[in-house]
Amino acid sequence: EDKVVQSPLSLVVHEGDTVTLNCSYEVTNFRSLLWYKQEKKAPTFLFMLTSSGIEKKSGRLSSILDKKELFSILNITATQTGDSAVYLCAVGIQGAQKLVFGQGTRLTINP
Amino acid sequence: GAVVSQHPSRVICKSGTSVKIECRSLDFQATTMFWYRQFPKQSLMLMATSNEGSKATYEQGVEKDKFLINHASLTLSTLTVTSAHPEDSSFYICSAGRHGQPQHFGDGTRLSIL
Repeated sequence: EDKVVQSPLSLVVHEGDTVTLNCSYEVTNFRSLLWYKQEKKAPTFLFMLTSSGIEKKSGRLSSILDKKELFSILNITATQTGDSAVYLCAVGIQGAQKLVFGQGTRLTINP
Repeated sequence: GAVVSQHPSRVICKSGTSVKIECRSLDFQATTMFWYRQFPKQSLMLMATSNEGSKATYEQGVEKDKFLINHASLTLSTLTVTSAHPEDSSFYICSAGRHGQPQHFGDGTRLSIL
């Protein structure tokens, strides 16, 4: 059974801190790994990773994939209260366009 | 960027009512759309894959007669929750994406059955 596991499930830090969110997966035919941010409504796309070792960056957010260890991390530096959200990791399967989602990490940034 | 529109955003209705939710891809043609369900403080659970011009593919445990999916055009998929009951109350989200591109999500529909 395809599985995506995120850790921690919940994280509370102070504004300005740096956080690292983890995502591990076990799937039969890996195609891609995606990170989404979900606030009150539907998830918004952050990154899509397909190759190992290539860091993707967008402002204070960055992510990298390790296909050997079946693992990805999402880093957020200099966190702000607006970063508070649930961060979802999802894996795309070859031959099927569907995504398998992890449980999400609920990140809370306190001022 | 890609935009997916979902309507309505909120539904409150009595038990036994059927509810239709629309999902539109606004700036691209989507041969495949996806319907998810999300319970409070839980992740997204894929319900079904909606295929334009053919029958939807349902995930294990999802009743196809309960959750009717129609994908009549390349830009519109609908989910109908038939004879809804309180246990069907949930947050329903659709997504669409082109092959090889990330899926983009609608804003979701919060369904409350009284």
